[in-house]
Amino acid sequence: AQRVTQPEKLLSVFKGAPVELKCNYSYSGSPELFWYVQYSRQRLQLLLRHISRESIKGFTADLNKGETSFHLKKPFAQEEDSAMYYCALKQSGSRLTFGEGTQLTVNP
Amino acid sequence: EPEVTQTPSHQVTQMGQEVILRCVPISNHLYFYWYRQILGQKVEFLVSFYNNEISEKSEIFDDQFSVERPDGSNFTLKIRSTKLEDSAMYFCASRTGAPETQYFGPGTRLLVL
Repeated sequence: AQRVTQPEKLLSVFKGAPVELKCNYSYSGSPELFWYVQYSRQRLQLLLRHISRESIKGFTADLNKGETSFHLKKPFAQEEDSAMYYCALKQSGSRLTFGEGTQLTVNP
Repeated sequence: EPEVTQTPSHQVTQMGQEVILRCVPISNHLYFYWYRQILGQKVEFLVSFYNNEISEKSEIFDDQFSVERPDGSNFTLKIRSTKLEDSAMYFCASRTGAPETQYFGPGTRLLVL
């Protein structure tokens, strides 16, 4: 069955420290993965897609098919990065399967 | 920048009542979705809609649920007879044909008493 796992519900780092939010998936086909971010009281917003291989707000994510992972990384966290982060997998058709989310807190 | 909008932002209803949640997708988008998130749980897919018909639905989307695009702008989710367990945040999303990025609305928080 298709599944997305984010093992950390909460992650706390200090400003300027590196941050990595973990995402693992299980999918029998060719996966298409996304990271969405939800700032306090705001809507879910796309942060990045693995197909684009882009860096948004200093975040990057690399699809590792061998480890079935799509971890989100940023070398130097900022306080404004504090938010809820969701990893999502697009299945056949177009539905998204979400992970449980990781609440990131960046402390000053 | 155009955004998906949803109304109402909050709705409280009695068990057994019908509710209609409304969404206005981004105007040139072709694919429409409903998701829900029960408090403390993950965001779950309910249904997708394209070309005026349901293209995919989850096991959650039973006969109590229906969707409609009554005009060129609105996309609605109806729950015919609400249950306590329908209490959740309901998100609408839309996208163009490609890329397949889904844009989400701010959500409607539904509370069934």
